[in-house]
Parts: sequence; structure tokens; C-alpha cells
Amino acid sequence: SAVISQKPSRDICQRGTSLTIQCQVDSQVTMMFWYRQQPGQSLTLIATANQGSEATYESGFVIDKFPISRPNLTFSTLTVSNMSPEDSSIYLCSVALQGDGNQPQHFGDGTRLSIL
Amino acid sequence: GDSVTQMEGPVTLSEEAFLTINCTYTATGYPSLFWYVQYPGEGLQLLLKATKADDKGSNKGFEATYRKETTSFHLEKGSVQVSDSAVYFCALSTSGGSYIPTFGRGTSLIVHP
Repeated sequence: SAVISQKPSRDICQRGTSLTIQCQVDSQVTMMFWYRQQPGQSLTLIATANQGSEATYESGFVIDKFPISRPNLTFSTLTVSNMSPEDSSIYLCSVALQGDGNQPQHFGDGTRLSIL
Repeated sequence: GDSVTQMEGPVTLSEEAFLTINCTYTATGYPSLFWYVQYPGEGLQLLLKATKADDKGSNKGFEATYRKETTSFHLEKGSVQVSDSAVYFCALSTSGGSYIPTFGRGTSLIVHP
């Protein structure tokens, strides 16, 4: 198991501003993931954050809008840039502890973001 | 590509009722199957999993059986409690190095006293 701390837990922001979300894990992990969960919807993968290399973004998500840092094996940040009301969502950080698809992911509690 | 289909919610039940949330999947190869639960204001937690056909995952009174012949992984509980009110996500992932699961849309469960 892993304990994942995500900050802030929620925020209300003005349009046009940026917010950085932090994700801290209590053990070293190779891959960390950032998801978006819009109200009443399932999870959409934004990107995979690899330590020592650039993040891998999914279709529809770009680095200029969602820059990601991964400075070490226990920490990552996601920035939501130039926010608009459409960015109002829950943003979730997750990790996979082992290197195969048989293992579950472990999630933080999420950041609930509202844009005015 | 891989996909997961869950029954639409919300599912509304009285306490002690029987619960079934349907989940079917399509996948190449032999996936592992998962149910996650998201309580209000929290992230997702693994509820149970099954990694091969006919396996039964169970936890906290919930059960699901990996049915390869019907490509299903339905979640059941014999007697729900108010504290089971949450959103339930069915998911699959394939072995061989893929970390990234495919999630269903989620099914909201509301249990009334």
C-alpha cells in the first residue's frame, strides 16, 4: 500500500490564474499519474509523470496548459494554467507500486478546483 | 481498444437490501479486473480485484466474480448499509507492463436508512 498526500484539497480560483497541485508519496515509485474527474464523470488520464524525463500527455492535454514536474521518486506537481470555468474539476494523483497491470493504482484524495 | 461498461446510476436502495452493480468489459488479452470505491470528498480506493477467470474478489462484504465467458465482473453485496453510499468504478488493466487502467463511468449508490 501507499499513502498519498495531495495539496491543496480544494481551491476556488479566478479565471486566468494558475494553480499548482502537489502530490507526495510515502515510498519511492517509478510512475505517477494525473487524472481529471469532471462532475459526475469518470476519470480521464491527463498524463504520466516519469522521474527524470518529461511527462507523457494523453490526447487532448498539452504541456502548456498542464505542466508537470517530477523532481524525485516521491513527489510530483501538476499546474493548471490560465484557468477557465471549464477547468473546474477534481484532479487526482495516483501511483502504481509494481510494474505490471495486475496491480491496482493508489490514489490521493484529490484536489477540488472551482474556477469563477 | 479496451473498454468498461457499467450500469448507469444512481442506484437507490434501502438499508439491508441486496446490491448488484453490473460491469462488462472488452479487452485484448487477459485483463485483471478491479472495483474501486470513491466516498464523498475522497479519492478512489481499491475495493476488490480478480486477476484470472473464475477468480472471486471480496472485501467488506462485497464480492465480484471474473466471468470470462460473459466478459463480466458484477459487484454484489448481500446487505447494504448507509455507509456504503459512494461511487463505484469498475476497471481493467492488462498485464505485460501496462500501469494504466481503463475505468468505467462509475455508478453512484445511495442507501437510505
